[in-house]
Amino acid sequence: AQKVTQAQTEISVVEKEDVTLDCVYETRDTTYYLFWYKQPPSGELVFLIRRNSFDEQNEISGRYSWNFQKSTSSFNFTITASQVVDSAVYFCALSERRYGNNRLAFGKGNQVVVIP
Amino acid sequence: NAGVTQTPKFRVLKTGQSMTLLCAQDMNHEYMYWYRQDPGMGLRLIHYSVGEGTTAKGEVPDGYNVSRLKKQNFLLGLESAAPSQTSVYFCASSKHGTPSSYEQYFGPGTRLTVT
Repeated sequence: AQKVTQAQTEISVVEKEDVTLDCVYETRDTTYYLFWYKQPPSGELVFLIRRNSFDEQNEISGRYSWNFQKSTSSFNFTITASQVVDSAVYFCALSERRYGNNRLAFGKGNQVVVIP
Repeated sequence: NAGVTQTPKFRVLKTGQSMTLLCAQDMNHEYMYWYRQDPGMGLRLIHYSVGEGTTAKGEVPDGYNVSRLKKQNFLLGLESAAPSQTSVYFCASSKHGTPSSYEQYFGPGTRLTVT
């Protein structure tokens, strides 16, 4: 069963528009961590943020913001005022305490295309 | 500080050939991982290691073997390559212990084609 679901495969936005990426996860653990990674066209994976299951405080960091809601098992990610450099594939990932928090289960990714 | 490096960057193999992918990290991380990335599939964990001399199976281990003889290196072997192993392979590493260390740092990837 898919532990991390990213329903939208490709999202196109015009530059300066906001874009929100949805992530729904599934776990029986009470302690777990959620991550967002970015994979630009060059191919490397870049860590963006980590959230633990005890911290439902939403956060804003520059043009990025995150909305973590345990009640709906969602960890959504928003890019405000998108730029062409934001064009990338974004992955949501989950690590669970039962595996020692050292195994990441990735979603299939959201391809974001920012049109100038 | 190079982070995580992978060798080679590209490789083409014929069915049945063998090869070894090398991953090296200079961050003194205890944990290391091998993933494969296929179109529309995200990344899937092949094998991982929680320390020198130890390895464990991930989600898709069949057809691969690994070794962690030194803390800084993690090798992924394909004994008899198959076209289904055509993929991009990523190595990653992470620290052990505190929650702030759970994020994994990735190498640049190895693009492998098996014909």
